[in-house]
Amino acid sequence: KQEVTQIPAALSVPEGENLVLNCSFTDSAIYNLQWFRQDPGKGLTSLLLIQSSQREQTSGRLNASLDKSSGRSTLYIAASQPGDSATYLCAVVLGNTGKLIFGQGTTLQVKP
Amino acid sequence: EPEVTQTPSHQVTQMGQEVILRCVPISNHLYFYWYRQILGQKVEFLVSFYNNEISEKSEIFDDQFSVERPDGSNFTLKIRSTKLEDSAMYFCASSAGRSVGPQHFGDGTRLSIL
Repeated sequence: KQEVTQIPAALSVPEGENLVLNCSFTDSAIYNLQWFRQDPGKGLTSLLLIQSSQREQTSGRLNASLDKSSGRSTLYIAASQPGDSATYLCAVVLGNTGKLIFGQGTTLQVKP
Repeated sequence: EPEVTQTPSHQVTQMGQEVILRCVPISNHLYFYWYRQILGQKVEFLVSFYNNEISEKSEIFDDQFSVERPDGSNFTLKIRSTKLEDSAMYFCASSAGRSVGPQHFGDGTRLSIL
């Protein structure tokens, strides 16, 4: 059974720091991995999608990497800002029905 | 930018009542999903839907749940006889591709069962 784990559960950093969020999964036979942002009481905003054949994806200050063989992904946030404060979720697609399996998230607080 | 819309944003229902949650996926998307998130827990998959059929459903999606695409734009989740443990945030998502494209989520419906 696929398990997705995110470390740390919570993170508090001062503004301007570069930071790394970690995601691990137990079954490496994934189709893709997606990173989301969730603001309190809101839906999930898709940040980055990495296909199983890719190693990384970049969008602005965000960079996500994928190492399928070791079952790991990282989300790198450069020059963090208070507006980056949110919960970040990673999720993997295991089968061909598109079913996403989520981690429990990392709650990030960036202090001004 | 196109988005997934869900109504209502909050639904309060008595236990045992039927509830229908509504979603309008992104217009050119073909794959549709429902997920739920119980307060403080992980987002959980409920069901995937394509070509007017269920592609996959989880153990949570028992006989009390059903999905329907009644017209070309709406996608609904029905819970026939609600239980206290159905209280959760329900998210609808859609994607253009099945396992290759990103899934786009709505803002969710908060369902509270009394």
